[in-house]
Amino acid sequence: AQSVSQHNHHVILSEAASLELGCNYSYGGTVNLFWYVQYPGQHLQLLLKYFSGDPLVKGIKGFEAEFIKSKFSFNLRKPSVQWSDTAEYFCAVNARRDYKLSFGAGTTVTVRA
Amino acid sequence: SQTIHQWPATLVQPVGSPLSLECTVEGTSNPNLYWYRQAAGRGLQLLFYSVGIGQISSEVPQNLSASRPQDRQFILSSKKLLLSDSGFYLCAWFAEDRGTEAFFGQGTRLTVV
Repeated sequence: AQSVSQHNHHVILSEAASLELGCNYSYGGTVNLFWYVQYPGQHLQLLLKYFSGDPLVKGIKGFEAEFIKSKFSFNLRKPSVQWSDTAEYFCAVNARRDYKLSFGAGTTVTVRA
Repeated sequence: SQTIHQWPATLVQPVGSPLSLECTVEGTSNPNLYWYRQAAGRGLQLLFYSVGIGQISSEVPQNLSASRPQDRQFILSSKKLLLSDSGFYLCAWFAEDRGTEAFFGQGTRLTVV
């Protein structure tokens, strides 16, 4: 069965620190990959997506993610976080031709000023 | 552009009562539709998805059921609610072959008392 694992439940860091959130999935076929963010009290918002092509994907707000097919991973990165990046981050995987869209359990990121 | 309508926004129901949450989509045809439940620490749990009228795939055995009576309508139901059914329910539309992300409804906060 398809599953999505996010390694960190809660990450706490200071402003200007670098951020990396891990995401691994279990599915042997072709996938579409996403990172969503949910700010406190708000709805889900797309950060970035990967469908094909360059495995290094640039998203909004300075975020990027790298798809490493051999590792079944799609880790999210940001070189220097801001207080406003405090939010919950979700990785999502769509197994193509299977139509399922599965989300990880989420990682809460707290950035201290 | 595509729009998802989900209602009601909030609902308080007694244990043992029935449930019906409705989701409709505009601006697209033959959408893949999804029901998720969001709970703290568990991310978005995929409950049901549908790739067409009358086609329902269930991900988690539970007290809930789903139906798709029309192309753009997806309904989440229960005959008898349990306390554990409380949560935040999200409807989503996703077209894996169109290169776009999933679009979410506004969500329904269900409290079973």
